[in-house]
Amino acid sequence: AQSVTQLGSHVSVSEGALVLLRCNYSSSVPPYLFWYVQYPNQGLQLLLKYTSAATLVKGINGFEAEFKKSETSFHLTKPSAHMSDAAEYFCAVSGHGSSNTGKLIFGQGTTLQVKP
Amino acid sequence: DTAVSQTPKYLVTQMGNDKSIKCEQNLGHDTMYWYKQDSKKFLKIMFSYNNKELIINETVPNRFSPKSPDKAHLNLHINSLELGDSAVYFCASSQLLGYEQYFGPGTRLTVT
Repeated sequence: AQSVTQLGSHVSVSEGALVLLRCNYSSSVPPYLFWYVQYPNQGLQLLLKYTSAATLVKGINGFEAEFKKSETSFHLTKPSAHMSDAAEYFCAVSGHGSSNTGKLIFGQGTTLQVKP
Repeated sequence: DTAVSQTPKYLVTQMGNDKSIKCEQNLGHDTMYWYKQDSKKFLKIMFSYNNKELIINETVPNRFSPKSPDKAHLNLHINSLELGDSAVYFCASSQLLGYEQYFGPGTRLTVT
């Protein structure tokens, strides 16, 4: 079975500060991992994805994430927060290969607040 | 052009009614999904279709019935609506199973 845990339901940073959103996964098969962002009253937008190529993945809006198999982690970072980054962030995992059903399993989400 | 669109955006209805939500994608994808987001923003898959064939039915009450008339459309029909059905419903699509999914804007369903 697969699962995702996002540590910290609410993260607050100052504008210009480092953003670190934590995600740990559990999977019995090699996972595909994703980060999505949800702005208020909108759908989910894909930030980046890990699909077993490079372990350091760069995404949109200056975000990046590093897949660490030994730590079963896929933390999301951004060097300098902007006010426009304030949103809900979701980490998700899916299987692939013979175990693939396409189902995304989401973490509980982390609300990012950016203070001026 | 909107990649994944849903109608309506808001749906307010009374208990016991039947309603439908429509979803269309113009990305040429083979796979489509329905997710439910509850009041605590938790997202959970309900259904997935691959080439119009049902792949996942995630223990959803049989009051919920997806219909895929073609690969570009996946509609969700809900019978005998209950208060607990109030949520935001998201449609998504992906090129193939396991690939990244692209989400629609959501339909906020309120059952009174």
